[in-house]
Amino acid sequence: DAGVTQSPTHLIKTRGQHVTLRCSPISGHKSVSWYQQVLGQGPQFIFQYYEKEERGRGNFPDRFSARQFPNYSSELNVNALLLGDSALYLCASSPRDLRSSYNSPLHFGNGTRLTVT
Amino acid sequence: GENVEQHPSTLSVQEGDSAVIKCTYSDSASNYFPWYKQELGKRPQLIIDIRSNVGEKKDQRIAVTLNKTAKHFSLHITETQPEDSAVYFCAAITSGNTPLVFGKGTRLSVIA
Repeated sequence: DAGVTQSPTHLIKTRGQHVTLRCSPISGHKSVSWYQQVLGQGPQFIFQYYEKEERGRGNFPDRFSARQFPNYSSELNVNALLLGDSALYLCASSPRDLRSSYNSPLHFGNGTRLTVT
Repeated sequence: GENVEQHPSTLSVQEGDSAVIKCTYSDSASNYFPWYKQELGKRPQLIIDIRSNVGEKKDQRIAVTLNKTAKHFSLHITETQPEDSAVYFCAAITSGNTPLVFGKGTRLSVIA
């Protein structure tokens, strides 16, 4: 079975540009989350989507947006890139049903390494 | 919201010794506590998890304990091996639409 796949693996952008990162969840997983991981830190929550609806948003500016498609894949968009946006962007999927109190583990993709110069 | 504190930030042990990493959480409603291992340049991978209705869980050389009263949980690795060297993250989550919140990580070095 394929795990969570993310593309691209690496990306170099200049300040002010925008970027789109893509994620395909594990088959059957309807929940997708995005995390930002700065070097030496733990993953920081950006967005959570379930059944194509945004179900949570972390403390990130409006330059960050995301969406989930009918096939449960997802895109993360970042506009007006800043140097501080340089990080590893991780997508994670889960079989978790957000209508339930039962939690399931997150399965991470290999991430997209974004460098802003 | 939930806040997870993790200690120590770095840990060095001799091969064969035990390693213990501790985490505290703030939200008493948190009910699921996974641990992830992240090797250099790779994705975080789930190594063990525990739910709030259980006090301890073991999987070969790895064990996790949970103290709900004190709101802390710990990862125990016995008979450490060089391949255990990595960054370990604890995390906590409540039910509903809340996200998984991670600690800042512990860099474990196992010295042969």
